[in-house]
Amino acid sequence: GEDVEQSLFLSVREGDSSVINCTYTDSSSTYLYWYKQEPGAGLQLLTYIFSNMDMKQDQRLTVLLNKKDKHLSLRIADTQTGDSAIYFCAERVGYIPTFGRGTSLIVHP
Amino acid sequence: KAGVTQTPRYLIKTRGQQVTLSCSPISGHRSVSWYQQTPGQGLQFLFEYFSETQRNKGNFPGRFSGRQFSNSRSEMNVSTLELGDSALYLCASSGSGRGLQETQYFGPGTRLLVL
Repeated sequence: GEDVEQSLFLSVREGDSSVINCTYTDSSSTYLYWYKQEPGAGLQLLTYIFSNMDMKQDQRLTVLLNKKDKHLSLRIADTQTGDSAIYFCAERVGYIPTFGRGTSLIVHP
Repeated sequence: KAGVTQTPRYLIKTRGQQVTLSCSPISGHRSVSWYQQTPGQGLQFLFEYFSETQRNKGNFPGRFSGRQFSNSRSEMNVSTLELGDSALYLCASSGSGRGLQETQYFGPGTRLLVL
């Protein structure tokens, strides 16, 4: 079956880089996504990567995909207090996406 | 361009009642998906509507149903509410629905509490 796993919490100092990790199980995933959820808000799509890519960079965000190990990571450079939120990893096989439980990123001064 | 709107934002119901939630997608979007978010189960896909037809369905009982109108607005209904239905219900819309990579835009959600 499909399962997406993430660690629950990550605490970083402002200005440092954050790396949020995710593992998934379905090797036939076509797209993998990172979403951000701030308190009281819905999910905001941050970035996605197609399964035939290894890396994607978008400003402060870098996504790395290791398809062999079914491991996805999101690196946020120069983390700011405004980056504090819950980050969800999701995989998609066909249309229906499967989400991880989310990683709470806490940024402290 | 207005974002995805959901009404109501908060709702309190009692067990056995039914509830209807509404979602208005971004203007021009034809695909609307519904998700349930709970601390225990995380974020789970309920169903997706495209051009007034249910195109995909998650693994939820028949008490959960939905529909989409000709203007792409969507409603979801939960009948015979159970305590476990307490959750944040999120709606997401996307454009034509033709691409799996198409960006889904989420609304702020409706928080349902069942007592």
